[in-house]
Amino acid sequence: DAGVIQSPRHEVTEMGQEVTLRCKPISGHDYLFWYRQTMMRGLELLIYFNNNVPIDDSGMPEDRFSAKMPNASFSTLKIQPSEPRDSAVYFCASSSPGLARGTQYFGPGTRLTVL
Amino acid sequence: KQEVTQIPAALSDPEGENLVLNCSFTDSAIYNLQWFRQDPGKGLTSLLLIQSSQREQTSGRLNASLDKSSGRSTLYIAASQPGDSATYLCAVIAGTYKYIFGTGTRLKVLA
Repeated sequence: DAGVIQSPRHEVTEMGQEVTLRCKPISGHDYLFWYRQTMMRGLELLIYFNNNVPIDDSGMPEDRFSAKMPNASFSTLKIQPSEPRDSAVYFCASSSPGLARGTQYFGPGTRLTVL
Repeated sequence: KQEVTQIPAALSDPEGENLVLNCSFTDSAIYNLQWFRQDPGKGLTSLLLIQSSQREQTSGRLNASLDKSSGRSTLYIAASQPGDSATYLCAVIAGTYKYIFGTGTRLKVLA
């Protein structure tokens, strides 16, 4: 299995631009998670989906952030408009109830820099 | 609110040492606790998962213990090697799929 795939790996954009991050979970996993990692706040859960349905989006920082999962093999995290404080590494992870108590597998992350 | 703290924040030791990394959490009502490794520029790799009913888990040179009542977990790395250099994160699983991560310990093992 290729593991969780994220694209792009690096993204540099200017303040005010729209940014879209993409994730392909491991085939057969029906849970998908989006995290953000910063030096100040560490790793934070933003939102997670089960069977393509958002279950908990309480970690989404504000309305500029939105996430979708149109099918079982694809999810996007969109920031519009982007701000310098959104600069971070964004991770996607997937899991399945069949795994040991919900073990999550993480993608390599997208490093976002907003100038 | 659950808070997870890791001490020390950074650790540097010569190879061959037995190392101890600590993780503490404020609310003992957890489902599981998991230790991860993160290499620079990479994602997280799961090392050990300790279920709430367990006291410890072992994998190779790694051993993790869990004491829910005191809100502590410890990761032991035996006979450390330079390849063990990475950031180690603990995560408390506080609800179904609700991971709360610690602040991490940056480990450097010197050759």
